[in-house]
Amino acid sequence: GNSVTQMEGPVTLSEEAFLTINCTYTATGYPSLFWYVQYPGEGLQLLLKATKADDKGSNKGFEATYRKETTSFHLEKGSVQVSDSAVYFCALSFLSNDYKLSFGAGTTVTVRA
Amino acid sequence: DVKVTQSSRYLVKRTGEKVFLECVQDMDHENMFWYRQDPGLGLRLIYFSYDVKMKEKGDIPEGYSVSREKKERFSLILESTSTNQTSMYLCASSLGQGLSPLHFGNGTRLTVT
Repeated sequence: GNSVTQMEGPVTLSEEAFLTINCTYTATGYPSLFWYVQYPGEGLQLLLKATKADDKGSNKGFEATYRKETTSFHLEKGSVQVSDSAVYFCALSFLSNDYKLSFGAGTTVTVRA
Repeated sequence: DVKVTQSSRYLVKRTGEKVFLECVQDMDHENMFWYRQDPGLGLRLIYFSYDVKMKEKGDIPEGYSVSREKKERFSLILESTSTNQTSMYLCASSLGQGLSPLHFGNGTRLTVT
């Protein structure tokens, strides 16, 4: 079946540090890949996505590149802020079955001033 | 902006009670979903619906049922709650075209004692 594995947290960083959250997937075929973010007390919201190999998704200073050869979609940000403190979820879906997203376990990130 | 509203933020119920979790979206979305979110497990799909009166089982439907009588409303029903249903429940909706993003509500924290 399809599954997503992301690095365990929690991750604690200082402001302006570099953030990487690893995400790898297992799927039959070539899924679309997503990062969702959940700020404290809120629901999840889409952060970025990539629909095919070598695509780079970007938003709010975050980037992730769809790597087919390593089945990965790692999230990166060059200089984090306190406001980036949140839970980050990697997810995948197929265009033929886009009703269903498969989510990773989530990574809690805390940025300290 | 799409708004997905869940009727309750916190609920405390006793084992064996019946619970209705209500979700309303205001953007005429075709698809609606119920997930539960548990630490270390991420989000798991309980049920989804792609049209009024239509429903499909997700990955963990046991112990749950749903109702979609109107397009904007999707209810999750726990006929007889058990302690292992203590969780955060998240409702989401999407347009249903291609890889349209999910829009989530803020969640309902259900505690079963």
